[in-house]
Amino acid sequence: NAGVTQTPKFQVLKTGQSMTLQCAQDMNHNSMYWYRQDPGMGLRLIYYSASEGTTDKGEVPNGYNVSRLNKREFSLRLESAAPSQTSVYFCASSPRVTLGGELFFGEGSRLTVL
Amino acid sequence: TQLLEQSPQFLSIQEGENLTVYCNSSSVFSSLQWYRQEPGEGPVLLVTVVTGGEVKKLKRLTFQFGDARKDSSLHITAAQPGDTGLYLCAGARWGGSQGNLIFGKGTKLSVKP
Repeated sequence: NAGVTQTPKFQVLKTGQSMTLQCAQDMNHNSMYWYRQDPGMGLRLIYYSASEGTTDKGEVPNGYNVSRLNKREFSLRLESAAPSQTSVYFCASSPRVTLGGELFFGEGSRLTVL
Repeated sequence: TQLLEQSPQFLSIQEGENLTVYCNSSSVFSSLQWYRQEPGEGPVLLVTVVTGGEVKKLKRLTFQFGDARKDSSLHITAAQPGDTGLYLCAGARWGGSQGNLIFGKGTKLSVKP
């Protein structure tokens, strides 16, 4: 039972480098999300996709772009990484588009920007 | 603006003790979820409460949604080391998509044997 799979699990970047975090879910869920988790800040939503073909900004979208490649896959791209983007990134999916549905999270991707 | 305040931020107790974690807001939520997160893993849903005044029990864990739908509590009876983790509450705001799910900053619980 894979659930939500994120790659890579760890990454170190230099300021200005770009990278893409990949996320795939095998539960046939409609909605997918990218969160970042920082000490003392909780989980903050970066972008979400309520359904295939749509994406929307969350609370902290600046410096990120996303692509909902198909129903299974939702990627997060950092075009020019900054030290402020050092964080643990979580991808999540939900069977529901509307509020209250359970979120299923991946194991996280730990990114360090030097 | 932090819409969901969790308290305490940190809690260290001995095995067998009882504890309560609180999740408070000035906003009204259509539903509220509690997640537990262990180190190096993603959060896992424990429960969703949807009705004001609702109480749900999950073994030794009791969850309550406030009558006014602005707050919630998690009570653990006879805590065990396996309960150690970060407990997160998340509130769903009315009239929006899943993008309106707001997370608290969490309560980090440590249960010592």
